[in-house]
Amino acid sequence: NAGVTQTPKFQVLKTGQSMTLQCAQDMNHEYMSWYRQDPGMGLRLIHYSVGAGITDQGEVPNGYNVSRSTTEDFPLRLLSAAPSQTSVYFCASKTGQGSYEQYFGPGTRLTVT
Amino acid sequence: KNEVEQSPQNLTAQEGEFITINCSYSVGISALHWLQQHPGGGIVSLFMLSSGKKKHGRLIATINIQEKHSSLHITASHPRDSAVYICAVIPGAQKLVFGQGTRLTINP
Repeated sequence: NAGVTQTPKFQVLKTGQSMTLQCAQDMNHEYMSWYRQDPGMGLRLIHYSVGAGITDQGEVPNGYNVSRSTTEDFPLRLLSAAPSQTSVYFCASKTGQGSYEQYFGPGTRLTVT
Repeated sequence: KNEVEQSPQNLTAQEGEFITINCSYSVGISALHWLQQHPGGGIVSLFMLSSGKKKHGRLIATINIQEKHSSLHITASHPRDSAVYICAVIPGAQKLVFGQGTRLTINP
């Protein structure tokens, strides 16, 4: 199993550009989530999904969209990138209800100039 | 005030020392997660705790639910233990609430 994979590893965007961060898992996990990690702050939840076709907002959802058309994939879309979205983004997954342990992807370092 | 507080924020020690990292939280939880993040690397799970104590190699994690406190201990520390250690609590079935992390540096 590859676990949780993320692409790209690094990305530089100009303000106003859009892009999609990819996340995939091959563990048949129901729950997937996106976090951002900023210096001096803990990881913060952006969006999450409890299964295909179901998504919900986390703590810091503004400026981001998600969809969950398959169990495996959970892409994160930046609609119009802003410098405040410069961060490291982590995708995570876990099995459904009753399971607490999350598995994290390797992260995507995004810089918006 | 953050719901999850870790101390210390930074810790430097010599190889072989016994290390303790603390995590205090203010919400009711279902479980607590200790994570490790190496420089430039991803995040890996060390322990998932809902009560008592767990041990894996030189790492020991304890939790006191009544006092809302958990500790991560490293015995016989080694430079390869240098990393950021993150405490995360699970107030419900789905979400994690993270501490800010403790940066540990072990010098040879």
